[in-house]
Amino acid sequence: GNSVTQMEGPVTLSEEAFLTINCTYTATGYPSLFWYVQYPGEGLQLLLKATKADDKGSNKGFEATYRKETTSFHLEKGSVQVSDSAVYFCALTNNQGGKLIFGQGTELSVKP
Amino acid sequence: DAMVIQNPRYQVTQFGKPVTLSCSQTLNHNVMYWYQQKSSQAPKLLFHYYDKDFNNEADTPDNFQSRRPNTSFCFLDIRSPGLGDAAMYLCATSRLRTGTDTQYFGPGTRLTVL
Repeated sequence: GNSVTQMEGPVTLSEEAFLTINCTYTATGYPSLFWYVQYPGEGLQLLLKATKADDKGSNKGFEATYRKETTSFHLEKGSVQVSDSAVYFCALTNNQGGKLIFGQGTELSVKP
Repeated sequence: DAMVIQNPRYQVTQFGKPVTLSCSQTLNHNVMYWYQQKSSQAPKLLFHYYDKDFNNEADTPDNFQSRRPNTSFCFLDIRSPGLGDAAMYLCATSRLRTGTDTQYFGPGTRLTVL
């Protein structure tokens, strides 16, 4: 079946540090891949997405590249800010009614 | 701003007492989804509507039902809430039901069952 695996958190970084959150997936066919962010007490916001192999999604300094050969979609940011503190979810859809399948989430805490 | 609205943001109910959660959207999207997110877990799809067509996930308990009276509104009904149903309930919408379409989420309703 389809599944998403993320690196476990919490991840604690100092401001301006480099961020990587690993995400790998298992899927049949050609999934679309997403990163969603959830700030404390709020719903999910789309951060970025990629719909085919080798696509790079980017937004607010975050980037992720759809790597079919390694079935990965790792999230990166060159310099994190305190305001980036949140839970990050990697997810995929596989044309099954648009159903999003989420990873378990990675909590990021950025200290000043 | 076009958006997805959920009411109430916080809901407290008693064990076994029916409860209804509300979602509305101004995006005029065809698809509306309900996800359940338990503490520190990933959201899990319960069901979705594509226009008036209801699609239930195979493992969604019968205790959970939904109504979509028009394009803008969708309701989640929990007939007899148990302690295990305490969670954040997230409503989302998308224009189409393809894998590439972005889903837009509301802020969620946090349900407490006493």
